[in-house]
Amino acid sequence: TQLLEQSPQFLSIQEGENLTVYCNSSSVFSSLQWYRQEPGEGPVLLVTVVTGGEVKKLKRLTFQFGDARKDSSLHITAAQPGDTGLYLCAGVSNSGYALNFGKGTSLLVTP
Amino acid sequence: DAGITQSPRHKVTETGTPVTLRCHQTENHRYMYWYRQDPGHGLRLIHYSYGVKDTDKGEVSDGYSVSRSKTEDFLLTLESATSSQTSVYFCAISAGPLNEQFFGPGTRLTVL
Repeated sequence: TQLLEQSPQFLSIQEGENLTVYCNSSSVFSSLQWYRQEPGEGPVLLVTVVTGGEVKKLKRLTFQFGDARKDSSLHITAAQPGDTGLYLCAGVSNSGYALNFGKGTSLLVTP
Repeated sequence: DAGITQSPRHKVTETGTPVTLRCHQTENHRYMYWYRQDPGHGLRLIHYSYGVKDTDKGEVSDGYSVSRSKTEDFLLTLESATSSQTSVYFCAISAGPLNEQFFGPGTRLTVL
């Protein structure tokens, strides 16, 4: 199994602060996906990164795929309470059919 | 919205009873998945299907079986529920070239 480790596990910040969460592996992935999950709901896809070194922006969220395609980061600028949730990274498994998920980073943004 | 529904949304049952969870999709996607989500473990794949009557095991398949007799329905069965199967169960479909997945709202199962 290709393991994905996410850090930090928990993050509590105030509105307006910046933050970065990390997703690391010893395995190479053809692509990595980021999801956000709110309490009581299923995960929702935010972005897919494919090319080593790729940077994608989604409003205040910036996603980067490592050059070696083993790691990824998510940076949030000026966090808002609406950013609160569980952030999950996932990579396509060797079978090509399934995703391996990290355990997630739980983010709480307080006003 | 990928048109994925799960039923029931909540269920409480007793140890040893059979339980079936249903996932229904409206958009004819080929690949469907069942995950369980537990604190400290994240999302773990139970079983997946790549077509009608075509299924395969995931990471945590022991104690679970699945069936897919129609493209739109993927059933997860706990033959004899145990307390360790208390969890939140998510169904997902794959809908993109990079296996991007879209999830249902989840079923919270409690086994007493």
